[in-house]
Amino acid sequence: KAGVTQTPRYLIKTRGQQVTLSCSPISGHRSVSWYQQTPGQGLQFLFEYFSETQRNKGNFPGRFSGRQFSNSRSEMNVSTLELGDSALYLCASSLAETAWGYTFGSGTRLTVV
Amino acid sequence: AQSVTQLGSHVSVSEGALVLLRCNYSSSVPPYLFWYVQYPNQGLQLLLKYTTGATLVKGINGFEAEFKKSETSFHLTKPSAHMSDAAEYFCAVSASSGSARQLTFGSGTQLTVLP
Repeated sequence: KAGVTQTPRYLIKTRGQQVTLSCSPISGHRSVSWYQQTPGQGLQFLFEYFSETQRNKGNFPGRFSGRQFSNSRSEMNVSTLELGDSALYLCASSLAETAWGYTFGSGTRLTVV
Repeated sequence: AQSVTQLGSHVSVSEGALVLLRCNYSSSVPPYLFWYVQYPNQGLQLLLKYTTGATLVKGINGFEAEFKKSETSFHLTKPSAHMSDAAEYFCAVSASSGSARQLTFGSGTQLTVLP
């Protein structure tokens, strides 16, 4: 059974650009959540989608957005990148609308220069 | 609202010694509690979780944790450390209802295992 797949694994972008990260959940999982991990702020919740609807959003500026497609695949977008957006972005999927079934992907390492 | 405090950002133990990683939580509703492990350049792997029922929870790789409501703690233990246990460990909490899907993480504890 394939795990949560995040692409790309590594990304380098220039300040001011935008970026799109992709997450393919485990087959059958309908809930996808995104977390940002930085050395300074640790692991922070970005947003959560279930059946194409955003159910919950963390305390991040509007530059951070996401969506979920009918096949449960999810993308997150960051516009007007800032140096502080450099982080490991983790996606997690679960079968039900609960956090205790989370399986995390390996993440996308974004570096903004 | 929930929060998690992990005491000790770095813990070192000798191979074969007891591993004890401390986690205290704050939650306005009955919590669900988790321990995750992260190896370098990897995502998070679930070690164990407490939702309801038995307060002593056994997880993978010989780890276990005990939910102590009176102490608002959920410490992670392993009787005998192995070199392969060296990693970063995160305690997390979520509400058992409402915004149950959101995990709040502690700041992590880096475990070093000395030969």
